[in-house]
Amino acid sequence: QVQLVESGGGVVQPGRSLRLSCEASGFTISSYTIHWVRRAPGKGLEWVALISFDGSIKYYADSVRGRFTISRDNSKNTLYLQMTSLRAEDTAVHYCARGTTSGAYDYWGRGTLVTVSS
Amino acid sequence: QSVLTQPPSVSAAPGQKVTISCSGSSSNLGNNYVSWYQQVPGSAPKLLIYDNDQRPSGIPDRFSGSKSGTSATLGITGLRTGDEGDYFCGTWDSGLSVGVFGGGTKLTVL
Repeated sequence: QVQLVESGGGVVQPGRSLRLSCEASGFTISSYTIHWVRRAPGKGLEWVALISFDGSIKYYADSVRGRFTISRDNSKNTLYLQMTSLRAEDTAVHYCARGTTSGAYDYWGRGTLVTVSS
Repeated sequence: QSVLTQPPSVSAAPGQKVTISCSGSSSNLGNNYVSWYQQVPGSAPKLLIYDNDQRPSGIPDRFSGSKSGTSATLGITGLRTGDEGDYFCGTWDSGLSVGVFGGGTKLTVL
């Protein structure tokens, strides 16, 4: 069955970096756009970034553009989110989600918690 | 401030029906499909409706979706206590080239 498993979260000081991973199974990621979406404590869902099936197209939310980089390794069926210059407002559970051709997110991982605190 | 507007909360008794609205603009809901997600505490979001009104396999027909212009609606009939949680609408914003969500609606089944 389709599964997405995030890892790499933790507690980090403001200004530091962290790399999240999203390992997929049950399907081949090379055929799909993959998204990162997060939810901060007490807040709603926030779309973070997407990467197209072949990595040629990447889009970012204004809140992370220039600080976060999305990438993929199709040979490992794995996605990444490199997060730099982290801020307190980046504290959230970060999810990877598989995208459909019409813009929905049909499968989600369980998420990994990133806490930015001194 | 979310790009899509949802009511913060709705409530109804078990067995009753509730609707959740989602309002946007021509650059998002007006020109793209809407999808709906349910999130209960401690769990990942789950897709309930895609392409405005389609249910994924396994989602009961108690859940329905519709869209007209720049507004969309999620309907839930035969409410159960297990339906409690947060509900989000989502779409793509073609003008901003970003994904967007509503602020979320907390459903309470009294």
